[in-house]
Amino acid sequence: TQLLEQSPQFLSIQEGENLTVYCNSSSVFSSLQWYRQEPGEGPVLLVTVVTGGEVKKLKRLTFQFGDARKDSSLHITAAQPGDTGLYLCAGATTGTASKLTFGTGTRLQVTL
Amino acid sequence: EAQVTQNPRYLITVTGKKLTVTCSQNMNHEYMSWYRQDPGLGLRQIYYSMNVEVTDKGDVPEGYKVSRKEKRNFPLILESPSPNQTSLYFCASSRLAGGVASYNEQFFGPGTRLTVL
Repeated sequence: TQLLEQSPQFLSIQEGENLTVYCNSSSVFSSLQWYRQEPGEGPVLLVTVVTGGEVKKLKRLTFQFGDARKDSSLHITAAQPGDTGLYLCAGATTGTASKLTFGTGTRLQVTL
Repeated sequence: EAQVTQNPRYLITVTGKKLTVTCSQNMNHEYMSWYRQDPGLGLRQIYYSMNVEVTDKGDVPEGYKVSRKEKRNFPLILESPSPNQTSLYFCASSRLAGGVASYNEQFFGPGTRLTVL
């Protein structure tokens, strides 16, 4: 079973600060996704990256897939209270696209 | 509205009493999965289904059963629940995207919080 380690586990910052969340593995993934989960709800897909070195931007969120496709990062610029939630990365390996391995998550709290 | 629905949302039961958690999706997705979410362990896949009558074990299948008789429904069955199955359960549906580099974008239901006493 592939393992995806996320860091940090918890992050509490003030509105306007920048932050980066990391997702690391010793395994190579064919695709990697980031989800956000709010209390009492299921995870919601933010982005999928499939190419080594790929960078995708979603408003203030920037996602990067490592060149070797073993790691990924999520950078948030000027965090807002609405960014509060649990961020999960999830990877799939070639030939097993229907089987996702999830990281343990990073719980982010953004305060005023 | 495209959605995945689960019922019940909350359930408290006792050890050994068979239960079923239903899951239904209205997006005509081929793939469906069940996950459990536990503190410190993240989301772990229990079972998944690639189409009607096609199911396979995920990472933690022990103590669970599933069936996929219709494309839209994917119930999770606990024949004899035990306290270690107390958890938050999520159903998800998806279809392959991405062409050659195919990947699977999951749409999750709202979750079922199960407590087994």
